[in-house]
Parts: sequence; structure tokens; C-alpha cells
Amino acid sequence: EDQVTQSPEALRLQEGESSSLNCSYTVSGLRGLFWYRQDPGKGPEFLFTLYSAGEEKEKERLKATLTKKESFLHITAPKPEDSATYLCAVQARSGGSNYKLTFGKGTLLTVNP
Amino acid sequence: GAVVSQHPSRVICKSGTSVKIECRSLDFQATTMFWYRQFPKQSLMLMATSNEGSKATYEQGVEKDKFLINHASLTLSTLTVTSAHPEDSSFYICSARSPSGVSYNEQFFGPGTRLTVL
Repeated sequence: EDQVTQSPEALRLQEGESSSLNCSYTVSGLRGLFWYRQDPGKGPEFLFTLYSAGEEKEKERLKATLTKKESFLHITAPKPEDSATYLCAVQARSGGSNYKLTFGKGTLLTVNP
Repeated sequence: GAVVSQHPSRVICKSGTSVKIECRSLDFQATTMFWYRQFPKQSLMLMATSNEGSKATYEQGVEKDKFLINHASLTLSTLTVTSAHPEDSSFYICSARSPSGVSYNEQFFGPGTRLTVL
């Protein structure tokens, strides 16, 4: 069974204070690892897809990295508007043509001004 | 691109009634759509996967007779919660997958529907 564990559950930062969110996963053959941002009462917003260990992707203040067991979402000099829940999800090759995602519980990030 | 809409955004109903939620892909054709449920402070739990023109595949523990899914076209899927009860109150989110292009395995999510059953 595919499993995704995110830590910490909640993270409070001061504006400008860089940090990282962790996503540990167990999957029978990784097809892709996804990061999403979710604001309260909204659907998830796509951020990144990573496919193989060593891959890195960046978007503004966010950088996602991937190893064979975990992924990190690095946030550099965060701003209050970066406050949201960040979700990690994995897609297994064994899913065939279903392409279904297994989500972690998310990390609630709060950035104080 | 890759915009998914849901309607309604919020619905309140009485116990025992049925509620239909629509999910539309606005600028692409989605051969596969997914329905999730999210309880407060919990992650998204996949309920079912629907492929256009065929029966939906339900996850273990999800009652197919209670949560009816129809995916009649490449841009529309509907979820009907039949005989809703207070424990069905939740945030229902759909997603759609584009079958081609560089993002072929990515899912694009709708804004969600908040269901409250009194």
C-alpha cells in the first residue's frame, strides 16, 4: 500500500525565515511525486511534479527536490502570502492507466509579517 | 489553461435528500476524472475514478450505491450523494486528467464543493 507522510504537521515562520517541508513516501515504483498548495476552502493548486531521484524544480520562492525515499519543499525568504497547506502526493506505476494519487495529510504553513 | 470548475460551491440540504455536484474541465478534454472527499484538517481521500463512457471505479469502503458517478462526456462528470446524512457532510473535490501532452499524468483540481447535511 502506498503511503505518504508529511512533516511537520504545522510550521510557523517569520517573514524572510527560510525553511523546508518534508514528504516521506513508500510506493511500489514511483511514477511521479506531486506538490500542491491548498488555501482554506479551495481546491489544491498544482506546484511541481518530480519524476526521478536527484530531480529539482523551482518556482519563485519554492524549490522541490526528490530522493528515493523523500521529497523536500524548500521555501526561501517566505512572505505572508505563502501561508497555506502544502500537500504532497505520489503516483505509483502499479496504478496502470488510473494515474491515481495518494496524498499526505499536508503541512500547514503560517508566515507572520 | 487546465481549468476545472465545480458547481455548486456550497450546498446545504436536509437529511434524506439527494445532492448532485458537477465537475467540468473548461479548456481541455478529460478522459479521466477523480472524486475526493476531505474532512476538516485531513488530507484528500480518493473516493472514485471515472473514465468517460464507462463505469466508475470506487475505492475500498466507498458505497457505490450511495455515491453515484456519471462521466457522460469528456468535459463533465457528476457526483450524486443519495439519501444524504449528516456524516456525509464534507468538502468534495474533483480533479481531471488531460490524456496528452507533457502533463499527461497531472491532475488539475476544481475549487471544491462544501456539503452540509442538516
